[in-house]
Amino acid sequence: GEQVEQRPPHLSVREGDSAVIICTYTDPNSYYFFWYKQEPGAGLQLLMKVFSSTEINEGQGFTVLLNKKDKQLSLNLTAAHPGDSAVYFCAVPQSCSAGNKLTFGIGTRVLVRP
Amino acid sequence: GPKVLQIPSHQIIDMGQMVTLNCDPVSNHLYFYWYKQILGQQMEFLVNFYNGKVMEKSKLFKDQFSVERPDGSYFTLKIQPTALEDSAVYFCASSGGLGGAETLYFGSGTRLTVL
Repeated sequence: GEQVEQRPPHLSVREGDSAVIICTYTDPNSYYFFWYKQEPGAGLQLLMKVFSSTEINEGQGFTVLLNKKDKQLSLNLTAAHPGDSAVYFCAVPQSCSAGNKLTFGIGTRVLVRP
Repeated sequence: GPKVLQIPSHQIIDMGQMVTLNCDPVSNHLYFYWYKQILGQQMEFLVNFYNGKVMEKSKLFKDQFSVERPDGSYFTLKIQPTALEDSAVYFCASSGGLGGAETLYFGSGTRLTVL
């Protein structure tokens, strides 16, 4: 089945700097991808849903890049601010399942220092 | 955005006892899920549920586990009896539809500690 590796597990960046989180998946048939953000004490909040036909996806303060050739999905935080401190998870639906079974990365704990 | 509520946020229980984790999904959602995250490991799929029935379950969904949503109330995960290896954070999720494009909305998790 699908496997997802996420790195790094921890990331400490200075406010205003950028940060990159990378997920590598194995199933070439994967066609949707998700990034979730979890702030302390809160649920997983959907950050972005990415469709495989779109290689560059821009959100507010971040960009998600999809490299289908290398089966990599990256979340690029631009000009990080303290509100970006959270745990970020990538998730990939298992293409062999119709039941929304997601395979998650292990998560990246991001700390933005003033 | 849509909210999924999980009650309680923490639960401590003695091994062998029964525990019920409660989830209040997004109001018009029809598909429900439980995921399990052991400390330091990836979140893993346990089960999905629709129209009163389990659709799929993983190998982590042991015989001691059961799910139900009686009469549109809480979607529950019951473990009876509990074992030490059941200690984890359990996340509930719901979605409006099925398919890889559907967004799952997650709760904040219930941290279960089995002593």
